[in-house]
Amino acid sequence: ETGVTQSPTHLIKTRGQQVTLRCSSQSGHNTVSWYQQALGQGPQFIFQYYREEENGRGNFPPRFSGLQFPNYSSELNVNALELDDSALYLCASSATSPSYEQYFGPGTRLTVT
Amino acid sequence: DQQVKQNSPSLSVQEGRISILNCDYTNSMFDYFLWYKKYPAEGPTFLISISSIKDKNEDGRFTVFLNKSAKHLSLHIVPSQPGDSAVYFCAASVMNSGGYQKVTFGIGTKLQVIP
Repeated sequence: ETGVTQSPTHLIKTRGQQVTLRCSSQSGHNTVSWYQQALGQGPQFIFQYYREEENGRGNFPPRFSGLQFPNYSSELNVNALELDDSALYLCASSATSPSYEQYFGPGTRLTVT
Repeated sequence: DQQVKQNSPSLSVQEGRISILNCDYTNSMFDYFLWYKKYPAEGPTFLISISSIKDKNEDGRFTVFLNKSAKHLSLHIVPSQPGDSAVYFCAASVMNSGGYQKVTFGIGTKLQVIP
């Protein structure tokens, strides 16, 4: 059984650019949630995808968008990057929705300069 | 609006002693409470949970206590081991109108267990 994987590990982008982060969910899991963890903060919920549909969203602007594919892997896209978008982006998968039991990947560290 | 609060940014404990990590919350609608452990360069790992209808849950060396009237929960680790040194996140979950469980995290407490 493979765990949650994320790519890339690290990324440096310039303000105004666009970025795509990728996540492969744990085998058998059909729900993926994305979190942003700024330095010194806890993870903050961005949105959740269940069976390829967004079924929940936190307090993040529309320039944060996502996709889930038929194999339940997922992408997080951020447009018009701002300096405050610099953070660790965590992906978590669940066996189903609703579920509070989540399994996290190691994260992607995004730096916006 | 920080609905889950961990007021102690760090805690140092001697090996073999008890570690007590505390967490307060404001939303009375939370139905599950969770603790996650995070090592550097890894994602958070689920440790233990408790339903809002319980007041205690135990799993080996880890026990979580919930005091609903005080909106307070705590994680006890007995005995503490050096491998327990990590950042511990308190989290709380609520069923949202969209039919999903929204999980809210605290900012974490860094535990150092001294050999």
